[in-house]
Amino acid sequence: EDKVVQSPLSLVVHEGDTVTLNCSYEVTNFRSLLWYKQEKKAPTFLFMLTSSGIEKKSGRLSSILDKKELFSILNITATQTGDSAVYLCAVGSTSGTYKYIFGTGTRLKVLA
Amino acid sequence: EAGVTQSPTHLIKTRGQQATLRCSPISGHTSVYWYQQALGLGLQFLLWYDEGEERNRGNFPPRFSGRQFPNYSSELNVNALELEDSALYLCASSQSGANVLTFGAGSRLTVL
Repeated sequence: EDKVVQSPLSLVVHEGDTVTLNCSYEVTNFRSLLWYKQEKKAPTFLFMLTSSGIEKKSGRLSSILDKKELFSILNITATQTGDSAVYLCAVGSTSGTYKYIFGTGTRLKVLA
Repeated sequence: EAGVTQSPTHLIKTRGQQATLRCSPISGHTSVYWYQQALGLGLQFLLWYDEGEERNRGNFPPRFSGRQFPNYSSELNVNALELEDSALYLCASSQSGANVLTFGAGSRLTVL
């Protein structure tokens, strides 16, 4: 059965800390992996990863994909209280049985 | 550019009633996806419409249905509401065949 597992489920850190969020997957006919940030309702897009070993970076956030070991990590450096959110990982398949399957998310809380 | 819009923002129904949720995709996007996010759970895939046709549905009972109109907007119908249908229903759109989903703010359905 196809699945996406995120860890940890929740995390509490202090401002300035660096965090690493994990996403592992077992998906037939992998197409892409997406990271989203969900603060209140609408998840907002962060990164799309399709190739192994190529780091995507946006400010203090970065992400990388390992298609051999079937996982991705999302790094946030110098965390700020505004980074507090649920971070969602989604994996897309070309098999046609679904478009994207989401993990349950990692809830990050950054304390001032 | 207007984003994905959903209505209503909140909806309160009683068990056995029917609910209709609406979604307008970003202009130029022909694919619409519906996800259910129950409290404490990840996004569960409901339905995918593309070019007016249902392309796939998730593991939900037939009382969850929907359609996509010629202008690519979509509605989700939930019949014979049950308490466990209480959730945030998120709609996302994308260009046909594209990878990135853009989400709306969601419709929160409460079933009493």
